[in-house]
Amino acid sequence: GAVVSQHPSWVICKSGTSVKIECRSLDFQATTMFWYRQFPKQSLMLMATSNEGSKATYEQGVEKDKFLINHASLTLSTLTVTSAHPEDSSFYICSARPGAYEQYFGPGTRLTVT
Amino acid sequence: QKEVEQNSGPLSVPEGAIASLNCTYSDRVSQSFFWYRQYSGKSPELIMSIYSNGDKEDGRFTAQLNKASQYVSLLIRDSQPSDSATYLCAVLLTGTASKLTFGTGTRLQVTL
Repeated sequence: GAVVSQHPSWVICKSGTSVKIECRSLDFQATTMFWYRQFPKQSLMLMATSNEGSKATYEQGVEKDKFLINHASLTLSTLTVTSAHPEDSSFYICSARPGAYEQYFGPGTRLTVT
Repeated sequence: QKEVEQNSGPLSVPEGAIASLNCTYSDRVSQSFFWYRQYSGKSPELIMSIYSNGDKEDGRFTAQLNKASQYVSLLIRDSQPSDSATYLCAVLLTGTASKLTFGTGTRLQVTL
C-alpha cells in the first residue's frame, strides 16, 4: 500500500501557541489530502479536505481561521492549529489517495495543549 | 438513518474462530467500499477494498458485498488475539465530493 507520513507524532504545547503538523505522501503524489480529528473512544471526524494549489474545504463547524491548512505541493499538506487551547487536544490524522478510491492514513499526531 | 451503520460491539470470538463484521449503508448508488482496522491509539489501516458484488479474499480476510441489500461484511478466519481492534467500514458515497463516510466501528475481541 501507499505510505503517508506525519510529523511530529506527538506534541505538547502551551495554551495560546500555534502548532504545525506536516503530512507527506512518500511514494505517490496527492492532489487531495484529508485531515481528521479523533477524540478518545470516538469516531473519526473529517475536518477538511486539502487541495493542492487551492483553498481547503472545511467541514461544517470547523473554524477555518483556527485550523489553517496549506497544501503547498503534491506531496505535502500542513495543518496549523492556531492559538491552541486545551479543548484542541486530540489525535490529528491525515490521509491521501494515490488513485481514485483507496485512501491511506498517516500514523497520526497526538496534540496535548496545557 | 445514519449513512453507514455498524454494530459497536464488542464482538467477542474465541481464538481460531471466524469473526463476522457487518455494515449497512444508505446510498443505493455507492460503488466503493472499504474496511479499516484501527488499534487503540493508532491510526486506521486499510485492510480490504471491494467494488463488485460477491466475495473478495485476501489471506484470512474476506469482504462480501451485496449492493441490492446495501450490505458489506468482513470475515476474519482463524481469528488471532492480534486481530483484536476496532474495524471501521467506510463507503464512498455519491455526491459527497469524494469523501469517505465511516461507520462508528465494531470493536472485536479475540479471546484465548
